[in-house]
Amino acid sequence: AQTVTQSQPEMSVQEAETVTLSCTYDTSENNYYLFWYKQPPSRQMILVIRQEAYKQQNATENRFSVNFQKAAKSFSLKISDSQLGDTAMYFCAFTKNAGGTSYGKLTFGQGTILTVHP
Amino acid sequence: DGGITQSPKYLFRKEGQNVTLSCEQNLNHDAMYWYRQDPGQGLRLIYYSQIVNDFQKGDIAEGYSVSREKKESFPLTVTSAQKNPTAFYLCASSTGQPQHFGDGTRLSIL
Repeated sequence: AQTVTQSQPEMSVQEAETVTLSCTYDTSENNYYLFWYKQPPSRQMILVIRQEAYKQQNATENRFSVNFQKAAKSFSLKISDSQLGDTAMYFCAFTKNAGGTSYGKLTFGQGTILTVHP
Repeated sequence: DGGITQSPKYLFRKEGQNVTLSCEQNLNHDAMYWYRQDPGQGLRLIYYSQIVNDFQKGDIAEGYSVSREKKESFPLTVTSAQKNPTAFYLCASSTGQPQHFGDGTRLSIL
């Protein structure tokens, strides 16, 4: 069974600064996906970024980037130039790649509440 | 626009009552999922379905039931056997990755 651990229950950052959220996972799979989802106060789950395990290059989406360390089973999220709208709960999630069209179940971490202060 | 619609947004259950949460998607996705979220916690998988007329239990299926009679629809019934049903329920769908989520239903006990 897979497990995902987010060791930071809460984080805060000043607007325009950079913050890094941590995530570690445990799996015996070699081919999988990792995700960061954002859940603002509206409770909607929004995909922030995705990483495929076979790709060595770290994924980047505008101000969001990851540091994927496969051997260490670590998957941190860096948010640059933080904005007030980034305030949300952030979840790290894992799914194994079943091959072809993947219908993977997501395993989520406990979440990190990020507050961006003006 | 394509998306996932969950209804109702808020639902109240009386003791001993079964209630059904609706989830409809028009994304033509094959797979659909139900997750439960408790306050301050991550999501846990209740049931999932990869194809019409087939579904599998997730990590916390006890006290819940589902059906998948149409590709677009995956309703979740919270039965009276679920002794602690108060939570936020999220439905998701996908073909491949990533999963797309609905806006959720908050279920409370009267």
